[in-house]
Amino acid sequence: GDSVTQTEGLVTLTEGLPVMLNCTYQSTYSPFLFWYVQHLNEAPKLLLKSFTDNKRPEHQGFHATLHKSSSSFHLQKSSAQLSDSALYYCALGNNRIFFGDGTQLVVKP
Amino acid sequence: GPKVLQIPSHQIIDMGQMVTLNCDPVSNHLYFYWYKQILGQQMEFLVNFYNGKVMEKSKLFKDQFSVERPDGSYFTLKIQPTALEDSAVYFCASSLEGQGNSDYTFGSGTRLLVI
Repeated sequence: GDSVTQTEGLVTLTEGLPVMLNCTYQSTYSPFLFWYVQHLNEAPKLLLKSFTDNKRPEHQGFHATLHKSSSSFHLQKSSAQLSDSALYYCALGNNRIFFGDGTQLVVKP
Repeated sequence: GPKVLQIPSHQIIDMGQMVTLNCDPVSNHLYFYWYKQILGQQMEFLVNFYNGKVMEKSKLFKDQFSVERPDGSYFTLKIQPTALEDSAVYFCASSLEGQGNSDYTFGSGTRLLVI
């Protein structure tokens, strides 16, 4: 069946350092991959979505590349900001969205 | 941008009683979803709904659960009777399309506590 794995439950880093949150997936089809971000007591919001033409999606300085060979869709940003602190979900879309366990990102001054 | 509104934001209810969670989806969206998130755990799919019908439900969608959207009003999740393990945050979402690449708009959740 379909599944998403986020290996890090918590990532803590200093403002200005690069961010990389891991995401791998399993699917019998060629799914779409998403990153959703959830700030405290707010609704999850779409951050990025994979494209069918393998373009690299970018938003708010974040980007992710879908690598079908390794079944990965890692989230990256060159320089973390304090406001990036949130819960990040990698998700797989088939006929519905499957969420990973989420990675809590904490950015410190 | 367009929002999904969930009412109430918090609900405390006695075990065995009925509870209805309400969701006001984005106005032109056609597909509706409920997800359940137990504290500290991942968001898990419960059910999706289109054209007045349940399209798919997970193992978490027990017989005590039901969904409906009467006359295009709120999309509701009803639990009757409630159990202690139903305590969780319930997120409603909606999307314009139902394909795998559809963007979901989520509500802020209803925090349900069954005591």
